[in-house]
Amino acid sequence: DVKVTQSSRYLVKRTGEKVFLECVQDMDHENMFWYRQDPGLGLRLIYFSYDVKMKEKGDIPEGYSVSREKKERFSLILESASTNQTSMYLCASSQGGGAEKLFFGSGTQLSVL
Amino acid sequence: GEDVEQSLFLSVREGDSSVINCTYTDSSSTYLYWYKQEPGAGLQLLTYIFSNMDMKQDQRLTVLLNKKDKHLSLRIADTQTGDSAIYFCAERGGATNKLIFGTGTLLAVQP
Repeated sequence: DVKVTQSSRYLVKRTGEKVFLECVQDMDHENMFWYRQDPGLGLRLIYFSYDVKMKEKGDIPEGYSVSREKKERFSLILESASTNQTSMYLCASSQGGGAEKLFFGSGTQLSVL
Repeated sequence: GEDVEQSLFLSVREGDSSVINCTYTDSSSTYLYWYKQEPGAGLQLLTYIFSNMDMKQDQRLTVLLNKKDKHLSLRIADTQTGDSAIYFCAERGGATNKLIFGTGTLLAVQP
């Protein structure tokens, strides 16, 4: 089975801190994604990557950056955390191709105080 | 732009059928998906359908696609308490190839 592992289940940070959310997948997938999930808004795409060292902006990239130095690892960075970035963050990976089936991690609930 | 809409909540009794509905706007969608999210977990792909199909059945799950009306539904037969979860509809945009998710429908199964 594909496993997508997010390093933290819960995080509490203070406004202005730099925050790193880590994600690792073990199935040699080409594509990786970061979403945030908010009640009533569903999932919104922040950034994605189709290859090592490659990144593309999603629908809500403002206030975020990403890093993909190795194929299996995709990091989401909040340069200066703000309270409106309190959310559930979900990482996903896929092999691509026709059906683009995403495999998700369990999520990181981030609270910014 | 592309948009996917779902009702927020559905309550059914154990043993009944559940029908979760979804509408989308992108007429060039290639694939449509149903994902399930159990409490405290990430999303898990339940099933998907290619846009040139109108029905797909997989055990207790039946997906119906009305491409003309841009309407997708998921029917769960003999609903069990373990089916209680949030169900997300998603479509793969024909132009962007990105997945667009709906807001999710919380299915509550009463014993």
